[in-house]
Amino acid sequence: QQQVKQSPQSLIVQKGGIPIINCAYENTAFDYFPWYQQFPGKGPALLIAIRPDVSEKKEGRFTISFNKSAKQFSLHIMDSQPGDSATYFCASRGAGKLIFGQGTTLQVKP
Amino acid sequence: DAGVTQSPTHLIKTRGQQVTLRCSPKSGHDTVSWYQQALGQGPQFIFQYYEEEERQRGNFPDRFSGHQFPNYSSELNVNALLLGDSALYLCASSRILLGGPNTEAFFGQGTRLTVV
Repeated sequence: QQQVKQSPQSLIVQKGGIPIINCAYENTAFDYFPWYQQFPGKGPALLIAIRPDVSEKKEGRFTISFNKSAKQFSLHIMDSQPGDSATYFCASRGAGKLIFGQGTTLQVKP
Repeated sequence: DAGVTQSPTHLIKTRGQQVTLRCSPKSGHDTVSWYQQALGQGPQFIFQYYEEEERQRGNFPDRFSGHQFPNYSSELNVNALLLGDSALYLCASSRILLGGPNTEAFFGQGTRLTVV
């Protein structure tokens, strides 16, 4: 019940494309769902997050869609740029601790 | 605001040795959590400190221990190092809201530990 499953493992898109990364969770007690971006050799940086009483949240080019009944959420990156090439992690918070997905390596080609 | 700072950035130790990693939380934050990130994997929760006490613990052996100081900074200690302890160790800080959940967690840049 503590797992968070993330897909795909890797993704290649052209500049301007809209990569979509999906996550599924099991524990309905999770209360907060953040996405982190991580560059090689760096710590994860918080991108955007959503609470389970909201179905969509947009911040700049990043959008989270949240489906509480399906226990799934996804990250959409609009007008993707080569600088968005990084590893993206979804997470779910339960009892104050974060449980991370396995990560998605995104490559945006110029 | 300096954000979450960790030291050292890199460390090489020999099997069987002990190591101490340090973390200073973001200004205004009172809770520190430690995570281990193996190469190509997502971070795994080790434990969380609040009010100088370990509040939660993940599935890590007792060789992993920690401490939180009155100024909210924290240390992670690992004894009897194994080759499998080689990883990026991340510290995250947040603030507990009275009657509510924690604020967002912000991560430091990590300490890359290599055990040889």
